[in-house]
Amino acid sequence: DAKTTQPPSMDCAEGRAANLPCNHSTISGNEYVYWYRQIHSQGPQYIIHGLKNNETNEMASLIITEDRKSSTLILPHATLRDTAVYYCIVRVAAGGFKTIFGAGTRLFVKA
Amino acid sequence: DGGITQSPKYLFRKEGQNVTLSCEQNLNHDAMYWYRQDPGQGLRLIYYSQIVNDFQKGDIAEGYSVSREKKESFPLTVTSAQKNPTAFYLCASRGYVLADNEQFFGPGTRLTVL
Repeated sequence: DAKTTQPPSMDCAEGRAANLPCNHSTISGNEYVYWYRQIHSQGPQYIIHGLKNNETNEMASLIITEDRKSSTLILPHATLRDTAVYYCIVRVAAGGFKTIFGAGTRLFVKA
Repeated sequence: DGGITQSPKYLFRKEGQNVTLSCEQNLNHDAMYWYRQDPGQGLRLIYYSQIVNDFQKGDIAEGYSVSREKKESFPLTVTSAQKNPTAFYLCASRGYVLADNEQFFGPGTRLTVL
């Protein structure tokens, strides 16, 4: 599975959009981009995933660049409860058993 | 409700003792995983299992053992050979119904070795 690079930490004001970048320059054509988040001392929670098209769900939007070498997770209106560590992962979908998590980005949402 | 349970949430053991962490899922998922997390760090893969009676070593399997006798259960034993066992342990599962399905995580077990 390809490796990802994320900034170690970011700040965001409450109510504003939080844009979390991820670099995955070695991504293969059959690898998906997944995002998870982990609130302190809890198990990670799935947010969203995509292959090459932009995706949106009730939690967030995922923007993947045309060359697929980077992506951005957007939390449109961040709240204090969105303070967490956000992990970007690339993985082969079918048969991608060995899911690797990096250190992630620690997002601080401030009032 | 479907989900993954890990027990206990907090576990204390004396150095040199083996300890087994429980992980059960009722999601009918084929694959199950164990990760270790140290303070301020990401998750590191210990073991994973694709099907019953089969499991593979992850990146940090030394000092750990697992079994997968039932689809629903994937217990992890932390042996006395694990040099620094104090950590947060997370279990996850994943189904194969959809090609791009995600992992579901349990609440974790925080192990402290005294």
